[in-house]
Amino acid sequence: ETGVTQSPTHLIKTRGQQVTLRCSSQSGHNTVSWYQQALGQGPQFIFQYYREEENGRGNFPPRFSGLQFPNYSSELNVNALELDDSALYLCASSLGPRTAGTSGGNNEQFFGPGTRLTVL
Amino acid sequence: GDSVTQMEGPVTLSEEAFLTINCTYTATGYPSLFWYVQYPGEGLQLLLKATKADDKGSNKGFEATYRKETTSFHLEKGSVQVSDSAVYFCALPDKLIFGTGTRLQVFP
Repeated sequence: ETGVTQSPTHLIKTRGQQVTLRCSSQSGHNTVSWYQQALGQGPQFIFQYYREEENGRGNFPPRFSGLQFPNYSSELNVNALELDDSALYLCASSLGPRTAGTSGGNNEQFFGPGTRLTVL
Repeated sequence: GDSVTQMEGPVTLSEEAFLTINCTYTATGYPSLFWYVQYPGEGLQLLLKATKADDKGSNKGFEATYRKETTSFHLEKGSVQVSDSAVYFCALPDKLIFGTGTRLQVFP
């Protein structure tokens, strides 16, 4: 069983450019969530995809967009890059989606190692 | 709104010292509570969890008890090792909310 993988490991872009980050989910997982982790901060939820549909979004502008493919792998696209977009981008996969208002611990997410994006 | 507050780091300890990292939360309903650990250059790994009040999660010598009355989920370990050096995140997984992280540095 392979874990969550992300590519590339590191990336350097300039302001105004566009970037695509990729994530392969753990075998059997149908849900992928993306997070932005700025230096010294905790992960901030960007959005989640469940069975190829967006299933919740955090407080990020529309220039952050995503896709999920039939094999449940996913892409994060960021347009018009800004300096503040420099961060570690984490992908996490899980067996099912976030379900608001419920508990039970059945939303365990498995994280990839992340992609370090630097915007100059 | 929902949130998690962790003590600021870094926490610097000598090997075999006792560790406490404080975590308090604000949330509606009855959320699950998780602790994640992030080693240098790696993604987050689930360390332990609790899904209801008074539950105690434990793993690798770490423990945390879900205290509804104080809305807390403090992480403890009786004797830390150099290999425990990492960043620890308290989280509300149902809300997809993480704390800001607490860096632990353990010296021999």
